[in-house]
Amino acid sequence: GAGVSQSPRYKVAKRGQDVALRCDPISGHVSLFWYQQALGQGPEFLTYFQNEAQLDKSGLPSDRFFAERPEGSVSTLKIQRTQQEDSAVYLCASSPSGDRGLIYEQYFGPGTRLTVT
Amino acid sequence: DAKTTQPPSMDCAEGRAANLPCNHSTISGNEYVYWYRQIHSQGPQYIIHGLKNNETNEMASLIITEDRKSSTLILPHATLRDTAVYYCIVRDYYSNTGNQFYFGTGTSLTVIP
Repeated sequence: GAGVSQSPRYKVAKRGQDVALRCDPISGHVSLFWYQQALGQGPEFLTYFQNEAQLDKSGLPSDRFFAERPEGSVSTLKIQRTQQEDSAVYLCASSPSGDRGLIYEQYFGPGTRLTVT
Repeated sequence: DAKTTQPPSMDCAEGRAANLPCNHSTISGNEYVYWYRQIHSQGPQYIIHGLKNNETNEMASLIITEDRKSSTLILPHATLRDTAVYYCIVRDYYSNTGNQFYFGTGTSLTVIP
């Protein structure tokens, strides 16, 4: 079946531009996660949604980062006024589990590689 | 923060078993051990998880020591396609504080022809 998809796969932005990264989770998955992965590092948690509710945004590095999932399916990660340190791969994952429940495995998309010049 | 320690890199001959160790000396009773891997330019892929009993699936086996302070992921017959970074993660199985995983830097496994 269809997995998690992300678009675009590659994005080059000039410093100061705004970018929007899209994630299409597996159909029916309740939970959705965003991670940031710098070169040579493991993924680092950014934010978590259960359906349309953003239950945890403790990993967002600054108020320039904003995520939404208005209808509980597709999610968008927006970065305003991009900086060079925002260059990374942004990964989206979905899971069938919900809050206060079993932690099932997460299914990851291929990621969006953002390069800020 | 990651609660696990893994060697940064390992090599394994093709066709041989790959044994990837992980130390998690501060693991608590409710925390499971999860393994993911990440092949170059792809998102992480779930492999296996366990609590205290050894586990096996079509991809790998997970051996957890009796004191649960360490574990080993075993790929029984490594192939070139198993070359990847392997992450060992400990996490509460039941959680009401969010479902994020802490990946750390993992072990880069290279399978040699």
